[in-house]
Amino acid sequence: AQTVTQSQPEMSVQEAETVTLSCTYDTSESDYYLFWYKQPPSRQMILVIRQEAYKQQNATENRFSVNFQKAAKSFSLKISDSQLGDAAMYFCAYRSGNYGQNFVFGPGTRLSVLP
Amino acid sequence: DTAVSQTPKYLVTQMGNDKSIKCEQNLGHDTMYWYKQDSKKFLKIMFSYNNKELIINETVPNRFSPKSPDKAHLNLHINSLELGDSAVYFCASSQARGFYNSPLHFGNGTRLTVT
Repeated sequence: AQTVTQSQPEMSVQEAETVTLSCTYDTSESDYYLFWYKQPPSRQMILVIRQEAYKQQNATENRFSVNFQKAAKSFSLKISDSQLGDAAMYFCAYRSGNYGQNFVFGPGTRLSVLP
Repeated sequence: DTAVSQTPKYLVTQMGNDKSIKCEQNLGHDTMYWYKQDSKKFLKIMFSYNNKELIINETVPNRFSPKSPDKAHLNLHINSLELGDSAVYFCASSQARGFYNSPLHFGNGTRLTVT
């Protein structure tokens, strides 16, 4: 079974600075999809960014970008120009490309943004 | 238009009671899920239905019974509630069957408190 690890339970960043959240996963599959979700205090789960494993190019969405290292099974999230509204729990998730019904989530990283 | 809606948002009840949480999605997705988020924010899948067929049934007490009358609805009924059932329950939907890059779309969660 696949597992997802987020080794940083908590992180903090100064407003306007850049922060990187780490995620590693364990799989024997070659075809899969990776996602980052944000959960602010409102508890809503918001998709931040997604990456297809077959794509070498790292995904970007405005201030959010990923560093996808397939061989290392690493999928880190970089937040540039951090804003107060970025403060939230961030979850990394894995979905198999083979009849991939289940999404496996990491334990999350709580990000604080300091003014 | 709300994409995935679940009701109620909050549920406070006493031990031993039976309660239900309802979920509906208007995204046309073929797969729906129930996830449980515990007090440590860990997200764990409970059930998944694809076109009304149960496809994921994790190790969950049989006091929890999902029901999917059609592919747009997935309800969760809980019998004989226990203190340990207190958590946030998320309904979610996704498109499977060839669209594995489709992310999970979450409802806003139901915070269940058992006293």
